[in-house]
Amino acid sequence: GENVEQHPSTLSVQEGDSAVIKCTYSDSASNYFPWYKQELGKRPQLIIDIRSNVGEKKDQRIAVTLNKTAKHFSLHITETQPEDSAVYFCAASWPTGGFKTIFGAGTRLFVKA
Amino acid sequence: DTEVTQTPKHLVMGMTNKKSLKCEQHMGHRAMYWYKQKAKKPPELMFVYSYEKLSINESVPSRFSPECPNSSLLNLHLHALQPEDSALYLCASSQAGTGAREKLFFGSGTQLSVL
Repeated sequence: GENVEQHPSTLSVQEGDSAVIKCTYSDSASNYFPWYKQELGKRPQLIIDIRSNVGEKKDQRIAVTLNKTAKHFSLHITETQPEDSAVYFCAASWPTGGFKTIFGAGTRLFVKA
Repeated sequence: DTEVTQTPKHLVMGMTNKKSLKCEQHMGHRAMYWYKQKAKKPPELMFVYSYEKLSINESVPSRFSPECPNSSLLNLHLHALQPEDSALYLCASSQAGTGAREKLFFGSGTQLSVL
């Protein structure tokens, strides 16, 4: 069945360092790959997304890369700040009467000041 | 208006109670979703409605009954729940159809506790 694997489950970095989170997906029908940030007690918030016809996308300190052949996609956060500390979820989505979106298990990011 | 509004924010219910969760959006989205999120876990898809018709049911137990009375509203009716159903229930909406319409807009969720 459909599956999204995410690694690492926990990531601790020093403020100013970079953080990288990696995901793989199983269903080749997936054509949209969003990343969500969720702070404790809050709703998931979309931080960046990429579609299957694009290999890389950048938005200020955040970038996402997609290797469709290998079914891998990654989130890169540069110059991390303490406020980046949260749980990050990757997801894979495909159209099927609405969109079916499956989330990875999440990465808890700690940014130490 | 880019908000998805969920009520109530918190709900405590007994195993014999019947309650309903409500979700509303006025963005003209024609796809609406229910997700369940346990603590320290990812959101787990329960139901998808597209143009007010149920299009995906992820083998959810019948004690959860969704309803989409119109294009702006989504309900989740709860009956005879179990303590393991305690979780954050998130509603989301998106545009429907083909094209770049996949972005999910999440509500703040209902934190449900079943005693």
